[in-house]
Amino acid sequence: GEDVEQSLFLSVREGDSSVINCTYTDSSSTYLYWYKQEPGAGLQLLTYIFSNMDMKQDQRLTVLLNKKDKHLSLRIADTQTGDSAIYFCAEDNAGNMLTFGGGTRLMVKP
Amino acid sequence: NAGVTQTPKFRILKIGQSMTLQCAQDMNHNYMYWYRQDPGMGLKLIYYSVGAGITDKGEVPNGYNVSRSTTEDFPLRLELAAPSQTSVYFCASSPRLLQETQYFGPGTRLLVL
Repeated sequence: GEDVEQSLFLSVREGDSSVINCTYTDSSSTYLYWYKQEPGAGLQLLTYIFSNMDMKQDQRLTVLLNKKDKHLSLRIADTQTGDSAIYFCAEDNAGNMLTFGGGTRLMVKP
Repeated sequence: NAGVTQTPKFRILKIGQSMTLQCAQDMNHNYMYWYRQDPGMGLKLIYYSVGAGITDKGEVPNGYNVSRSTTEDFPLRLELAAPSQTSVYFCASSPRLLQETQYFGPGTRLLVL
């Protein structure tokens, strides 16, 4: 199947690091993505990683990819209240389609 | 640039009614997409288009139709609304291939009663 799985919920304190995990199924995916969705808004692309990389860093965001285990993670350093949102991972398959996970709701407590 | 715009923001339909969800982008993107997002779920691709005059089915196309007469516009048509089509609909566009950044509209919330 084409299941992309994420845990539903994560709560952290402001200033801590957040780690959001994702497992995917399509080993032929070329790119894997992280999107952020704030309440009432569409999805915003945060970052993506090419499948032949195992790490990508972009300011406070670090993406780790373990192709053997088909595991993707997003680490947000120094998490702020403005980071509270739903985070979706997605894989591309069949060339033109994205398969999304169900989303992880991140709550940041002051 | 306005980016990707969608209208309406919210609509209630009766079973069997029809409606068109509008989507427009002013970034001259070739690729456009329609997704639906059900509660607690990720997005599922309904239809996509790689350019004016070209459309193709995504994962969940049944009950929907699209057209792409211009680069800017990509309307989604529901002919006979069913309660299973209650969802939030997102339109997106990207410059070239899927691997480029997809820009999303704010969504249309549809309730079918």
